[in-house]
Amino acid sequence: AQKITQTQPGMFVQEKEAVTLDCTYDTSDPSYGLFWYKQPSSGEMIFLIYQGSYDQQNATEGRYSLNFQKARKSANLVISASQLGDSAMYFCAMRDYGGSGTYKYIFGTGTRLKVLA
Amino acid sequence: NAGVTQTPKFRVLKTGQSMTLLCAQDMNHEYMYWYRQDPGMGLRLIHYSVGEGTTAKGEVPDGYNVSRLKKQNFLLGLESAAPSQTSVYFCASTIHPQTGPSSYEQYFGPGTRLTVT
Repeated sequence: AQKITQTQPGMFVQEKEAVTLDCTYDTSDPSYGLFWYKQPSSGEMIFLIYQGSYDQQNATEGRYSLNFQKARKSANLVISASQLGDSAMYFCAMRDYGGSGTYKYIFGTGTRLKVLA
Repeated sequence: NAGVTQTPKFRVLKTGQSMTLLCAQDMNHEYMYWYRQDPGMGLRLIHYSVGEGTTAKGEVPDGYNVSRLKKQNFLLGLESAAPSQTSVYFCASTIHPQTGPSSYEQYFGPGTRLTVT
């Protein structure tokens, strides 16, 4: 069954340092997409970055990069030069084939990141 | 362009009462989803729809019903609310996901906080 695992319930990082949030996934479909979303304390879900299963290069979006290791089925989020505003819950998600031409999105349990001044 | 909106934002129900949550999107998206978010459990898919007039069950469909009579609206119903349905409910939408380079990320509404006493 398709599954997303985030093993770090909480993380601390010092301001201006880099941090890696772990995500592993499980799917039997050769075509899938991996996403990271940020949920600040205000509650909204903010899309950060995307990696397709056939993409050859790791995705980057500003200070966010996705360390995609297909053989290990991992899609870790790297945030460089952490800022206080990065304190939030972070969710890893996977778009997977749901059968009959449909697609579903599966989320991990999240990692709460706290950036320290 | 309002994006994805949810009505209401907050609601308190007594056990056994019924209610309907409304999700509306103005982006002409084909797919719409209902999730619930509980502490430590991430986002879990309740029901989803791949187009007007279609619905499908997700991971936790019991106790909920949905309808998609118009492409822009996706309704989530609770026929007889239970305390276990106390949660934050998120609606999301996306254009028709396909394989390929595009991300087809989900766009989320602001959430509805429901308390069942």
